Amino acid sequence: NAGVTQTPKFRVLKTGQSMTLLCAQDMNHEYMYWYRQDPGMGLRLIHYSVGEGTTAKGEVPDGYNVSRLKKQNFLLGLESAAPSQTSVYFCASSLLGQPNQPQHFGDGTRLSIL
Amino acid sequence: GNSVTQMEGPVTLSEEAFLTINCTYTATGYPSLFWYVQYPGEGLQLLLKATKADDKGSNKGFEATYRKETTSFHLEKGSVQVSDSAVYFCALSIRYGGSQGNLIFGKGTKLSVKP
Repeated sequence: NAGVTQTPKFRVLKTGQSMTLLCAQDMNHEYMYWYRQDPGMGLRLIHYSVGEGTTAKGEVPDGYNVSRLKKQNFLLGLESAAPSQTSVYFCASSLLGQPNQPQHFGDGTRLSIL
Repeated sequence: GNSVTQMEGPVTLSEEAFLTINCTYTATGYPSLFWYVQYPGEGLQLLLKATKADDKGSNKGFEATYRKETTSFHLEKGSVQVSDSAVYFCALSIRYGGSQGNLIFGKGTKLSVKP
């Protein structure tokens, strides 16, 4: 009963390095989301996808790229990491993007940029 | 625009105390409202939801009523337990124009329950 799985769980990068965060869901959900969580800020939407092969910008997309090549996977990339991107990143999915449907969250990736 | 405001924490209570966490919202339309809970080291879990005015969501002894007239969705529990210690997020979701029903979160309220 995996649900939404995020890898890695922790990572430390140096400024300027690149990396990719992987999100995988096994619920056959159409919609997937990437959020970042910062102290006192709640969760803010970075990018989202409404289906395989589609992506769209959220509230704070700058410095990130995403891809949804397979329905079950949603990748978040940092091309040139900056200290301001130190955060906890959460992936979520939902069956459809209907307002009354809840989102299912992974356990998060804690990313530190030195 | 759309936004959620919830009471700032941290909130510290003794076991069996009554809990209220206030949440108010601003929305251009008719949102669905949610409470999510985040236990230490984990992701967010849906606690309860309400999709229209006067609906009451409930789960695990928690409840919240969608009040359109006061644009509120306050979370309550009659008797908290130590295991309820977590961060609670109020959120709304609304679909209009090109929006895809994305969630808009409050900043979260940390609850600590002491034995």
